[in-house]
Amino acid sequence: DADVTQTPRNRITKTGKRIMLECSQTKGHDRMYWYRQDPGLGLRLIYYSFDVKDINKGEISDGYSVSRQAQAKFSLSLESAIPNQTALYFCATSDKQGGGNQPQHFGDGTRLSIL
Amino acid sequence: AQKVTQAQTEISVVEKEDVTLDCVYETRDTTYYLFWYKQPPSGELVFLIRRNSFDEQNEISGRYSWNFQKSTSSFNFTITASQVVDSAVYFCALSVHSGYSTLTFGKGTMLLVSP
Repeated sequence: DADVTQTPRNRITKTGKRIMLECSQTKGHDRMYWYRQDPGLGLRLIYYSFDVKDINKGEISDGYSVSRQAQAKFSLSLESAIPNQTALYFCATSDKQGGGNQPQHFGDGTRLSIL
Repeated sequence: AQKVTQAQTEISVVEKEDVTLDCVYETRDTTYYLFWYKQPPSGELVFLIRRNSFDEQNEISGRYSWNFQKSTSSFNFTITASQVVDSAVYFCALSVHSGYSTLTFGKGTMLLVSP
């Protein structure tokens, strides 16, 4: 079983719909992240959470919200989806030890298309 | 703020050629960490290596090697005797040593190895 699981893996929806992407992990990591990947732009950070009560905006948080329901679960919501949010979304986790030196471990991604 | 530049957007080689992927980084911090990730056509992100700013020793792992040079702020990745399975997008990333550090990714280099 994957250590970082994202659901759904693929989603097609319409403009204006509310969408939730879910991420769960079995690695026991405190830190969780949401990224989006667009062709030619690399990965850009949307939100991150360093523990259950700590939520922080990343580089491109507008139009998104998150919920950290438990140490193992971190959800990303698009309240009213728009076509330019079509992208590949990744959840990641990392250990809190070391202040930044820990690698992040990624889920397999959610491919989201908004028509 | 941190910045990672991968100037090569796409590289094509023939199997068995050696290839070097460039990564240049910017940071004002004296303690930082550099990473390489691989994204094969299947889409997942695979952690390859981490290097901290105090360790400029080059590293070799099989056909992979990494050259870290603080003088030029570069952390280049060489694949020796490339294989078709090396075809992927490769990302270089940087984090700094702080309690709230996150990863800054480059835009990636797509490597295509043809038979």
